[in-house]
Amino acid sequence: QTVVTQEPSFSVAPGGTVTLTCGLSSGSVSPTHYPSWYQQTPGQPPRTLIYNTNIRSSGVPDRFSGSILGNKAALTVTGAQADDESDYYCVLYVAGGPWGFGGGTKLTVL
Amino acid sequence: EGQVVESGGGLIQPGGSLRLSCAASGFTFSSFSMNWVRQAPGKGLEWVSYITGGGDIKFYADSVQGRFTISRDNAEKSLYLQMNSLRAEDTAVYYCARDHIFTFDMWGQGTMVTVSS
Repeated sequence: QTVVTQEPSFSVAPGGTVTLTCGLSSGSVSPTHYPSWYQQTPGQPPRTLIYNTNIRSSGVPDRFSGSILGNKAALTVTGAQADDESDYYCVLYVAGGPWGFGGGTKLTVL
Repeated sequence: EGQVVESGGGLIQPGGSLRLSCAASGFTFSSFSMNWVRQAPGKGLEWVSYITGGGDIKFYADSVQGRFTISRDNAEKSLYLQMNSLRAEDTAVYYCARDHIFTFDMWGQGTMVTVSS
């Protein structure tokens, strides 16, 4: 079974830039996996940030961007702010799924 | 824009059954596929089940296959998850999520299911 991989944790300084990645246990991520990204703070439902690799959801600041970097999907936060401190999940459209969720990345802004 | 609201969670003994509901409003419910996604306490998100707008195609995660059944009533604008043979590891917040252009574009607040004796 295909596993979606993410870094367990990451830290960034306020105002800095960080790139979170989303990979597959076997094979490369491509646009045909329709990568999407979600932000979640404790006690809240997820919030959709990015879909179809690089399309920002309505109301999402442009400091969040999505892309394919090498063999992984990527979420870049440019000019990180304190309230960007959250858990970030990627989701891929995978065979046998249809949806594979990554384990999430805990982003700390300090 | 619309919203989805889950209900039906609670405390249930191992081996028991529970039926979750998700009420949709503000959009053409029958035009959208829907999903159930869960999150165990302190853990990440886990996709559980998917159903097409017409209800004719359904998928399940391996962890719930054969125990959970997804269904929908488009006239009532409602999504359901029938959960049987519940286990402690099914304890989680269960979210209803709308599926649109290969993304989950609308989430409910979730309903908590606790499986414990």
